[in-house]
Amino acid sequence: AQKITQTQPGMFVQEKEAVTLDCTYDTSDQSYGLFWYKQPSSGEMIFLIYQGSYDEQNATEGRYSLNFQKARKSANLVISASQLGDSAMYFCAMREGDNDMRFGAGTRLTVKP
Amino acid sequence: EPEVTQTPSHQVTQMGQEVILRCVPISNHLYFYWYRQILGQKVEFLVSFYNNEISEKSEIFDDQFSVERPDGSNFTLKIRSTKLEDSAMYFCASSEGGGAGETQYFGPGTRLLVL
Repeated sequence: AQKITQTQPGMFVQEKEAVTLDCTYDTSDQSYGLFWYKQPSSGEMIFLIYQGSYDEQNATEGRYSLNFQKARKSANLVISASQLGDSAMYFCAMREGDNDMRFGAGTRLTVKP
Repeated sequence: EPEVTQTPSHQVTQMGQEVILRCVPISNHLYFYWYRQILGQKVEFLVSFYNNEISEKSEIFDDQFSVERPDGSNFTLKIRSTKLEDSAMYFCASSEGGGAGETQYFGPGTRLLVL
């Protein structure tokens, strides 16, 4: 069974607008961490933001925020004021306890000028 | 800002040859990982390493793979007899701790092509 599901293979957004990238997860653990990574065309994996399962507030890092809805098991990434440099693949990932990190299939975001 | 480094950035090899991919994790990190990403697919966990031993490995990490920390800074992934399907981007990552909330920082990757 898929642990991490990203249902949007591709998304488009106009420059300067906000965009939400969806991520749902499946776990029965109480302790887990949720992560978002950005992979530009150059291939590297860049850490963006983290949300812990016990965190009551949504995580924010600059223009990135995580819309964490624990009951729905969703951890959507919101990028505000999109920039051309935001065009990339975005991966949602989860780590349960001390286990390995599982990644979703990714969403390719294209920012249009 | 400290970062994970990997060498080489690209490697081309013949099927059946051995390759060693090298990584230098962030210096105060204690947990090390290898992942691979076949072109166009998701990132897949291979192995985690702590205290000079493997702490977890996936079903992908079979007997042709091995990891080693030969000195205080390097962390290597060896593929003994490469197959065509080993062609992928291989990422090394490191983290300070090993719990669910520990962020793993990735290196730039080594793109391996097996011919």
